[in-house]
Amino acid sequence: AQSVSQHNHHVILSEAASLELGCNYSYGGTVNLFWYVQYPGQHLQLLLKYFSEDPLVKGIKGFEAEFIKSKFSFNLRKPSVQWSDTAEYFCAVKSSGNTGKLIFGQGTTLQVKP
Amino acid sequence: ETGVTQTPRHLVMGMTNKKSLKCEQHLGHNAMYWYKQSAKKPLELMFVYNFKEQTENNSVPSRFSPECPNSSHLFLHLHTLQPEDSALYLCASSQDTGKGTQYFGPGTRLLVL
Repeated sequence: AQSVSQHNHHVILSEAASLELGCNYSYGGTVNLFWYVQYPGQHLQLLLKYFSEDPLVKGIKGFEAEFIKSKFSFNLRKPSVQWSDTAEYFCAVKSSGNTGKLIFGQGTTLQVKP
Repeated sequence: ETGVTQTPRHLVMGMTNKKSLKCEQHLGHNAMYWYKQSAKKPLELMFVYNFKEQTENNSVPSRFSPECPNSSHLFLHLHTLQPEDSALYLCASSQDTGKGTQYFGPGTRLLVL
């Protein structure tokens, strides 16, 4: 069965620090990969997605993620975080078939201190 | 953003009540989804509809009954729920179940007493 693992459950950073959130998945076939963000009091929003193009994907608000197939990883990065990046971040994977089934990780809470 | 709307936003119900959650998408999509988000657990897919047909039931108990009358509307009918069913229920939609990105609504916060 497919699964997604996010290594960090709770991350605390100061503003301007660099961010890397880990995400690993278990599935041997072709996948589509996503990072979603949930700001306090808001709904889930798409941050970025990988659909088998360039393995380095750029998203909104300066976020990027790199798909490393050999490591089954899709880590999220941002060179300099802001207080407004405080949110919960979810990694998700979908097999390339037609089921629409999206498997989520358990989420990482990021707290950025001003 | 009003692409996917859900009502009600909050719901408190007793174990013997019958209630329904409503989801509406204004994106012209053909696939709609129900997810359950419980504290400290990953989002769990419950149901998938593609062109009004149910294509996935992720072993959801029969006390949850989905209905998709058209591609823009999705309901989740609730009957004789248990306290452990208390959670945030999220609706999502995508162009189709193939490659489309899923867009989420704000959710319904459900409390079962």
